[in-house]
Amino acid sequence: GAVVSQHPSRVICKSGTSVKIECRSLDFQATTMFWYRQFPKKSLMLMATSNEGSKATYEQGVEKDKFLINHASLTLSTLTVTSAHPEDSSFYICSAHMTVYGYTFGSGTRLTVV
Amino acid sequence: AQSVTQPDIHITVSEGASLELRCNYSYGATPYLFWYVQSPGQGLQLLLKYFSGDTLVQGIKGFEAEFKRSQSSFNLRKPSVHWSDAAEYFCAVGEAAGNKLTFGGGTRVLVKP
Repeated sequence: GAVVSQHPSRVICKSGTSVKIECRSLDFQATTMFWYRQFPKKSLMLMATSNEGSKATYEQGVEKDKFLINHASLTLSTLTVTSAHPEDSSFYICSAHMTVYGYTFGSGTRLTVV
Repeated sequence: AQSVTQPDIHITVSEGASLELRCNYSYGATPYLFWYVQSPGQGLQLLLKYFSGDTLVQGIKGFEAEFKRSQSSFNLRKPSVHWSDAAEYFCAVGEAAGNKLTFGGGTRVLVKP
């Protein structure tokens, strides 16, 4: 079956630094990847949609310059949280889509900014 | 714009009892509908999906869901709950394959022994 690998699973960083989260589709080429943010005991909020080789489409209210998304290949998308602050602490989940497999989710990344 | 409502934030059910989770959506055309389950600190696992055809959909782990267009609902059911079913359940809707999904607020299921 389709597998999406997301890492790191947990990361702690200092306020003001940047952190990169990777999302890889291991055995399929994802035409589209999605990045979600989930607050404690809350639902998933879509941050952006990215297609390989093109700029990501951000949802309203999501800061493009803070949450940099790169989708350089059909198997890899990255989310970089720049100049992270404590309010950026959250659970981030990626999802990859391919017609045959539908939507496959990564296992998530717990980001804590101290 | 599409939206999804899961009216029940928490549901507590005894092991062996039946379970039904409600999901109502708002969308003009026939939506793509999904149910996912999430264990604490984990990603989402697909339970089942509906695109077209038979309105009663069978999924993994003994779950099923029924699409009712007249009620704009896609409720999830399981005849007999196991302790391992304790988790967060999300209903989601998409406009078409590959488009972004909109998630409901989730329902947390607690299973009593």
